[in-house]
This record gives sequence, structure tokens and C-alpha cells, in this order.
Amino acid sequence: GAVVSQHPSRVICKSGTSVKIECRSLDFQATTMFWYRQFPKQSLMLMATSNEGSKATYEQGVEKDKFLINHASLTLSTLTVTSAHPEDSSFYICSAAGAGTMEQYFGPGTRLTVT
Amino acid sequence: GENVEQHPSTLSVQEGDSAVIKCTYSDSASNYFPWYKQELGKRPQLIIDIRSNVGEKKDQRIAVTLNKTAKHFSLHITETQPEDSAVYFCAANQAGTALIFGKGTTLSVSS
Repeated sequence: GAVVSQHPSRVICKSGTSVKIECRSLDFQATTMFWYRQFPKQSLMLMATSNEGSKATYEQGVEKDKFLINHASLTLSTLTVTSAHPEDSSFYICSAAGAGTMEQYFGPGTRLTVT
Repeated sequence: GENVEQHPSTLSVQEGDSAVIKCTYSDSASNYFPWYKQELGKRPQLIIDIRSNVGEKKDQRIAVTLNKTAKHFSLHITETQPEDSAVYFCAANQAGTALIFGKGTTLSVSS
């Protein structure tokens, strides 16, 4: 199957700072990338959908000014958590899909801890 | 938008027994229904999927059934083994849109 990487895998930051997470499709062109957040013992909750070259579409309740998403190329999307707070501590997972395909490929996730 | 309900939230079986997890979805336009296994701290791993033009699909000990009229689909695991213990998620979407996940089922297989 297709390969999606995420970086970093784990990050600890202080409250008030910003953190950038990268999601890359390594062997295919991802026309659409999705960002999910998963709190402990909960399901994956969709945060936003991003199409290459377009503004991301955010789910209700997700602050677009806090969670900045950029999808500047067909292989890279970034999520920046601005002014992070302890309640933003979570497991962030991206997925990527190619044009006209049904299956989505997940990155390995990024564990964010805000102290 | 799509809403996916999943039951049960926890399931405990003896090794060798079968396990069944059920999901319902709300959007009749959804046409792709994957099942994922997730181990602690790792990404979801696709174990089987079914598309809306198919009623049943099987892969060794795992099978999935889909009832489009009732808008529900189920995962069946036969001859369960301890290594099947994990959290399982169902999901649904239309091609090109985000997957909407059920709340998950924690499966425990005891030997």
C-alpha cells in the first residue's frame, strides 16, 4: 500500500508556543489530506479536510485560527497548532487520498504534549 | 453529514470464539465502509473494507457484511486469537471525502 509519513512522531512543548506537524505522502500524489485528533480511549475525530492549493475546510468546533493547515503540494500538508495549551495535548493523525481512490492512507501519528 | 454508530463498546471472548461488531450509518450516499484495527499509540490499520456494490466480503478469518437498505454493516472475526485483542473502528464515507469513524470497540481475547 501507499506510504504516509508524519513528523515529528512525538513533541513536548510549553504552553503558549506553536508546533508544526508535517504529513507527507511518499509514493503517491495526495490530492486530499485529512487531519484527525484522537484523545485517549476515544475515536478519531475529523478536524479538517485539505485539498492541494485550496484553503482547508474545518469541522464545526475546530478553530481555524488556532489550527493552521497548509497543503501547498501534492505530497505535503502541515498542521500548525498555535498558542498551544494543555488541552491541545492529543494524538494527531493525518490521512491522505489520491484522486478518484476510495482508500485513505494514515500517517503514524504525532503525540503532542503541552506542558 | 454522516454519523456512524458502533456497538458494542467492549467485547470479551474466549480464544477460538467468534466476535461480531456492528455499525450503522446515516448518510445513504456513503459508499465505502472500511474497518480498522488500532493498537495503543499506533495508526489505524485497515483490516478489511467493503464497497456499496457488494453485500459481503471475506478474508481468511475476517468477514464484513453490508446491508444498504438498513444502513448497517458488521465485522465478523472467527477463531479469535489473543493477538486479535485491540480496538476496532468502523468508518464510512463517499470517495474523496473524510472518513467518519464509529466510537470503537475494545476487543479482548482471553486464552
